[in-house]
Amino acid sequence: AQSVTQPDIHITVSEGASLELRCNYSYGATPYLFWYVQSPGQGLQLLLKYFSGDTLVQGIKGFEAEFKRSQSSFNLRKPSVHWSDAAEYFCAVGVKTSYDKVIFGPGTSLSVIP
Amino acid sequence: KAGVTQTPRYLIKTRGQQVTLSCSPISGHRSVSWYQQTPGQGLQFLFEYFSETQRNKGNFPGRFSGRQFSNSRSEMNVSTLELGDSALYLCASSMEGYQETQYFGPGTRLLVL
Repeated sequence: AQSVTQPDIHITVSEGASLELRCNYSYGATPYLFWYVQSPGQGLQLLLKYFSGDTLVQGIKGFEAEFKRSQSSFNLRKPSVHWSDAAEYFCAVGVKTSYDKVIFGPGTSLSVIP
Repeated sequence: KAGVTQTPRYLIKTRGQQVTLSCSPISGHRSVSWYQQTPGQGLQFLFEYFSETQRNKGNFPGRFSGRQFSNSRSEMNVSTLELGDSALYLCASSMEGYQETQYFGPGTRLLVL
C-alpha cells in the first residue's frame, strides 16, 4: 500500500540555522511529490513539487527539496531558518491506483528559537 | 485573483444530524478536492470533483458525499454525524487535478457533540 512517513514529529531549530525535514514514501512507481506548509489556523500552502526532471527542486520562501529514487525520499531543506517558518510541514505523494489521489504524511511541527 | 473560500468557517452539530459544507474554487479551476484533517488520522483525501463529476475518491463511508455545480463550486455533505467526524475539512482547487498545484482554502472546522 502507498504511504508517506515523516520520521520527525517535532523539530526545534535556532533562527539562522539550517533545516532539513525528512520524508520517505512507499509507492511502486515514481510519484508526484509535494511539500506543503500549514500555519496555525490556516489552510495549506504549496512550497514545491516534483514531477520529473531535475531531482533538486526549488520552491518558495527559500526552500528546496531533493528527490532520491534509491532512497524513496524527498527531503526538504532550507539554509537559514527565519522565525516566520515556524509551522507544520507536510510531505505528500500523488499516486495513481484505481483512483488518483494525494496521500499526506503525518506532518512535522517546526519550532524556531529566536 | 480571489483564493479558495469555504463556508461556514466553524460549525457545531450534534450526533445524528447532517451537515453541508461549501467550497468556492479559484476562478477557472475545474478540479475541487476535499480533505479531512484530524489530530489522530492527519490529512486524508475524501474525494475529487472535476467538471461536475466525482473523479476520484478516498476510503470514507457513504455518509460522506459531495457534488459540484456547473460554476465549479462544490458542496460536501455528511449525514448521520458521528463524534469522530469532528475535524477540519479542507477544500483545494486546481486547474486540472492533483498533479498540479492545489490551492487550499482555510477550512471548515466541524465539531460534533
